Amino acid sequence: TQLLEQSPQFLSIQEGENLTVYCNSSSVFSSLQWYRQEPGEGPVLLVTVVTGGEVKKLKRLTFQFGDARKDSSLHITAAQPGDTGLYLCAGGPHKTGANSKLTFGKGITLSVRP
Amino acid sequence: EAGVAQSPRYKIIEKRQSVAFWCNPISGHATLYWYQQILGQGPKLLIQFQNNGVVDDSQLPKDRFSAERLKGVDSTLKIQPAKLEDSAVYLCASNRLRDARSEYFGPGTRLTVL
Repeated sequence: TQLLEQSPQFLSIQEGENLTVYCNSSSVFSSLQWYRQEPGEGPVLLVTVVTGGEVKKLKRLTFQFGDARKDSSLHITAAQPGDTGLYLCAGGPHKTGANSKLTFGKGITLSVRP
Repeated sequence: EAGVAQSPRYKIIEKRQSVAFWCNPISGHATLYWYQQILGQGPKLLIQFQNNGVVDDSQLPKDRFSAERLKGVDSTLKIQPAKLEDSAVYLCASNRLRDARSEYFGPGTRLTVL
């Protein structure tokens, strides 16, 4: 069973601060996705990374996929209250031809105080 | 493009009662998923459909849960009888292709079992 560990589990910061959160596994994934989920809503896809070492930027968010495709990080610059939410990482299967079932981590609850 | 639709948004029942959830995926999406998300956890896959066939239901508690997607479009998930531990958000998601790397989620149905 492929497991994804996310850390920290909870994070409360002041508006304007920078932060980095992590998604780690002992398994190799073919791809990794980051989602943000707001209360009462379903997860919304932020980014998909597929190549080891890949870095993607989405405005103030920077996503990195580890060289070995076992881990990922999300860095937020100058956090805003609108960034508040549950951040989920999800890994795609490593084996070619396997079902597209995603393995989700437990998520990181981020609160950005005005 | 309309998103994934789910109903109802909220449901409160007593244990041992039955409940059904409905999902309408994004038009043209062949793959449909039902997830269970318990408070403080990431989504857990219950069942995956490809058109109207079941691809993976290994984590579906088949003694009480059932799901169908008869015409390969809408889907229903049923719980009969419900237990206290079934209290969770039930998320429906869809993908255009079986091996797509990201999923589009509906808003979920929050079930409370008393």
